[in-house]
Amino acid sequence: NFLLTQPHSVSESPGKTVTISCTRSSGSIATNFVQWYQQRPGSAPSIVIFEDNQRPSGVPDRFSGSIDSSSNSASLTISGLKTEDEAKYFCQSYASSNQWVFGGGTKLTVL
Amino acid sequence: QITLKESGPTLVKPTQTLTLTCDCSGFSVSSIGVAVGWIRQPPGKALEWLGFIYWDGDTLYSPSLNSRLTITKDTPKNRVVLTMTNVDPVDAATYYCVHRRNGGSGWLDYWGQGTLVTVSS
Repeated sequence: NFLLTQPHSVSESPGKTVTISCTRSSGSIATNFVQWYQQRPGSAPSIVIFEDNQRPSGVPDRFSGSIDSSSNSASLTISGLKTEDEAKYFCQSYASSNQWVFGGGTKLTVL
Repeated sequence: QITLKESGPTLVKPTQTLTLTCDCSGFSVSSIGVAVGWIRQPPGKALEWLGFIYWDGDTLYSPSLNSRLTITKDTPKNRVVLTMTNVDPVDAATYYCVHRRNGGSGWLDYWGQGTLVTVSS
């Protein structure tokens, strides 16, 4: 299986834009869909992006996802940052035989 | 409205077997296309996928834990049960029961609140 590597933490000011990366260690990032989950402190995770760049209903359009084959990575971009966006974000994809892989998570601080 | 609620022991001893139950509502665990699974998260650490059980009883497990895990379902009670044998302190984590969306990439659209399990003698 491959690894999904995320930065341990990022921080940005309210109103700004932040991008969180998720780099696949082997195999193409484009081979399997990438999801992003948000986990606020003390809560269960919830989906914010599915299938690379799709937003579930109820998730603000400030959240967007993309993949970049040149860097073999997926990215989650949050624009117009709000203090409520402060959370841990996990990327997730699939390995062979439908095995699930999660990234290590990125703690977003909005200060 | 789909809800999932985990229950089970909060403390287990090393080498014991851990059994967790997920009570499901708002859907049937045996409806075509349904998959329910388990994800765990050690304190302050990353999510780890454990496995799924599908509506037809088929199962899929993490290769690293395959030999220790069993996921079953009880259709009349509409619940899913996770059994993990020979637990170790490294198995201490919050265990989440999850509903996998039917269709598409099957992302996780509903999560239980999680149940914290400590492993200690």
